[in-house]
Amino acid sequence: EVQLVESGGGLVKPGGSLRLSCVVSGFDFSAYSMNWVRQAPGKGLEWVSCISGGGSFRYYADSVKGRFTISRDNARNSLFLQMTSLSAEDTAVYYCARNYYDILSGYPPFDYWGQGTLVTVSS
Amino acid sequence: SYDLTQPLSVSVALGQTASISCGGNNIGSKNVHWYQQKPGQAPVLVIYRHPTRPSEIPERFSDSNSGNTATLTISRAQAGDEADYYCQVWDSSTGVFGGGTKLTVL
Repeated sequence: EVQLVESGGGLVKPGGSLRLSCVVSGFDFSAYSMNWVRQAPGKGLEWVSCISGGGSFRYYADSVKGRFTISRDNARNSLFLQMTSLSAEDTAVYYCARNYYDILSGYPPFDYWGQGTLVTVSS
Repeated sequence: SYDLTQPLSVSVALGQTASISCGGNNIGSKNVHWYQQKPGQAPVLVIYRHPTRPSEIPERFSDSNSGNTATLTISRAQAGDEADYYCQVWDSSTGVFGGGTKLTVL
């Protein structure tokens, strides 16, 4: 059974940093690109970042470029999102999502999602 | 940047057919994926790479994509179909979601 479990969310002050983690199981982690997708309270989905299965290629939304860093540890079946210079606009539930196939092979959908971890940026 | 436009809300009578549009420049040339999200839950993939459905999604869900509009169609709408629906594409290695459509089943 495919499982994605996020952790690391919480309350952080504006300008602060936070590191999110997503531990996966049930599939060959290194064969799939992985993503972070966020959803502000009462708002729609916003794609944040993607990393290829091997970890060599990383893509970011303009809204987080230069502030967020996506990474992965294939040996530990783990995906990460390092977030810095946080502002209130970054307040959201952050989902870890798997691509149906690696991003380097085309334009895949997000076929499995975690339950999300809430990040609140407030003083 | 590439934008996707969805209606904020769509209503459908129980047992009838609902259509949710997703507008984008020449979207017919792209692979469009559709997600369903119920309150308090993570999104679920319902249609990808026209016209493919994950095995657990009923045949009542279908899609079309041509020109500047992609459409998700839900036939014989049920109360359990009431949810937010999002279209999604990739544009220059950037993920793009539509703003979402709230489907109400009357």
